Amino acid sequence: NAGVTQTPKFQVLKTGQSMTLQCAQDMNHNSMYWYRQDPGMGLRLIYYSASEGTTDKGEVPNGYNVSRLNKREFSLRLESAAPSQTSVYFCASSEAINGKAFFGQGTRLTVV
Amino acid sequence: GQQVMQIPQYQHVQEGEDFTTYCNSSTTLSNIQWYKQRPGGHPVFLIQLVKSGEVKKQKRLTFQFGEAKKNSSLHITATQTTDVGTYFCAVPNDYKLSFGAGTTVTVRA
Repeated sequence: NAGVTQTPKFQVLKTGQSMTLQCAQDMNHNSMYWYRQDPGMGLRLIYYSASEGTTDKGEVPNGYNVSRLNKREFSLRLESAAPSQTSVYFCASSEAINGKAFFGQGTRLTVV
Repeated sequence: GQQVMQIPQYQHVQEGEDFTTYCNSSTTLSNIQWYKQRPGGHPVFLIQLVKSGEVKKQKRLTFQFGEAKKNSSLHITATQTTDVGTYFCAVPNDYKLSFGAGTTVTVRA
C-alpha cells in the first residue's frame, strides 16, 4: 500500500526556472494538500483541494499554482522559482477536510 | 483563522525522564490532532482528541484535551531514543488543518 507518493524526492533549480511537483494517493481520499516546511516555522499550507474539482489558497500561495488532475493526483507548480522557495514540500491527503492526514515522503527543493 | 502556540519549541531530555509538551489556542477547538516527525522524515498521525477533558494513552504517550477545549498536552514517560523528533499539534482552521510550530525533542543517552 503506497499511501501518498511524491516525486521528485530532491530537486535543485536555478532562479527563474519552473517545475511541477507531483503527488498521488491511492487511498481514495477526497481532500489533498500541499505544505511547505521551513526551520522553526512548522508546516504552512500552500494550497488545498477539499474535493475533486476544487482548489483553494492556503496561508502562503504566492508563487505557486496547483492542479487537481483527478481524485488521485494533486500537483504543485512553481512558475518562476525564487531562492525564498527553497524548502521541504509535503503533499498530504485525508478522507475528509480536516480529517486525519497522511503525508508523502517530501520533496527537498533548493533554488539557487 | 485559528492559531495554536506550542511550547516549548525545544525539549532536551535525559533518557528515562518524563516530559510534557503543550499546545494552546485562544479559541475553543472542535478537535485537535497530534503528529510526530522523525528527523529527515514526514509527519505521521498519532491521535485525535475530540471530547472535553479527553485523555488517551498510547504506550508511554498520554494525550489530554483541556476541559475548555482550548489546550492540549502530550506527556511522554521514561523517554527513549526512539522518541526523538518533532511533535506537532494540528487544529481545524476554516476548511484546513493548521499546524503548530512543533516541539523538537532530543534525548541524551
